[in-house]
Amino acid sequence: DIQLTQSPSFLSASVGDRVTITCRASRGISNSLAWYQQKPGKAPQLLIFAASTLQSGVPSRFSGSGSGTEFTLTISGLQPDDFATYYCQQPYTYPRSFGQGTKLEI
Amino acid sequence: EVQLVESGGGLVQPGGSLRLSCAASGFTFSSYAMNWVRQAPGKGLEWVSLISTTSSSIYYADSVKGRFTISRDNAKNSLYLQMNSLSAEDTAVYYCARENIVATMTGYHYFTDVWGKGTTVTVSS
Repeated sequence: DIQLTQSPSFLSASVGDRVTITCRASRGISNSLAWYQQKPGKAPQLLIFAASTLQSGVPSRFSGSGSGTEFTLTISGLQPDDFATYYCQQPYTYPRSFGQGTKLEI
Repeated sequence: EVQLVESGGGLVQPGGSLRLSCAASGFTFSSYAMNWVRQAPGKGLEWVSLISTTSSSIYYADSVKGRFTISRDNAKNSLYLQMNSLSAEDTAVYYCARENIVATMTGYHYFTDVWGKGTTVTVSS
């Protein structure tokens, strides 16, 4: 099974900051990685798939990069609406797996 | 409007069973594989199961294999999750989620693009 490890688990930032979240896979998964945003009490929302492709409707301040075992999600110019928990997920193989999450706080 | 609505959650005793349903609307349900994903209170997301469009391919997380059964009825635009031998560790919000696929220069890419609001399952005596 593939394990995904996100870092950091908690991130404190301010409006306007640029932040980066890392997701490391236990073995190579090509560019098969998606990023999701989840707010309290709500379902996750897809941000990025194929490591770097922005989902339709997602603001361009979100970007993703990486391949193989190391991936990053970058948010440039944090907005108040961006404070949430972020998860990576690998659709490369079964069982699918998620990272443990990164909580982005003010 | 593309929509997924889960139902069937509730309180069940350890060792008991529960059947979750997910009603799909606003898209051609039979054209998409479907997932169940769960989230225990205060915890992260856990993928549970996936079923292909024709039910010919089914996958489970190790934590539920042999106890949970995913199924679908394309005529009714519905997805199901039969959960048996439930324990406290199965307490979670269960989400139904659509699997999408796109072809790019680098190949086919899968992702979960539509989620329901979830249904809560509580296993407790």
